[in-house]
Amino acid sequence: EAQVTQNPRYLITVTGKKLTVTCSQNMNHEYMSWYRQDPGLGLRQIYYSMNVEVTDKGDVPEGYKVSRKEKRNFPLILESPSPNQTSLYFCASSLRGQSTDTQYFGPGTRLTVL
Amino acid sequence: GQNIDQPTEMTATEGAIVQINCTYQTSGFNGLFWYQQHAGEAPTFLSYNVLDGLEEKGRFSSFLSRSKGYSYLLLKELQMKDSASYLCAVRDLFSGGYNKLIFGAGTRLAVHP
Repeated sequence: EAQVTQNPRYLITVTGKKLTVTCSQNMNHEYMSWYRQDPGLGLRQIYYSMNVEVTDKGDVPEGYKVSRKEKRNFPLILESPSPNQTSLYFCASSLRGQSTDTQYFGPGTRLTVL
Repeated sequence: GQNIDQPTEMTATEGAIVQINCTYQTSGFNGLFWYQQHAGEAPTFLSYNVLDGLEEKGRFSSFLSRSKGYSYLLLKELQMKDSASYLCAVRDLFSGGYNKLIFGAGTRLAVHP
């Protein structure tokens, strides 16, 4: 089954404790992206990747890192999480970053930073 | 700048028709998407418009007017399971040559019996 998976689905952590949220897709998509979703603000892009070893900042990259060492995986790293990073996070992928491509979303990771 | 506006909440009755509007301002419009998102779940793709006019897909239709910066999603024969948030998203030709997807805050639709 074609899908985007994320782990963990839920995470409660404390300020400053490094964490990684994994994202994997099995559709051989080139383009992958991370969003956060907060009430009243909609989905905001954190980072995106056009292909292996090609990543760039989205609208809200501060406090986050990503890597794209292989096509299927695009982990999101929070080196020193803070309470303002409490949010619902979605990973998404599409064939390429072209205008007609549909983005497919993972199930989401609900992160709480205390 | 870039801006997408849609109503925060709407209510409708089972079996009825509802229209969810979306207005946008972007520097380089390159297509508009509608997604459905049930509470706590991932957004799922509903429709895509890049040319003016109406795209129909079963009970759902989406309309686009590029000159007015306006789209709507029309849901017919509403069912209880249509209670969800509906996200309007616009592709924008970003200065770096990459097609950026900008999301509105979403419209939460409640369908009542």
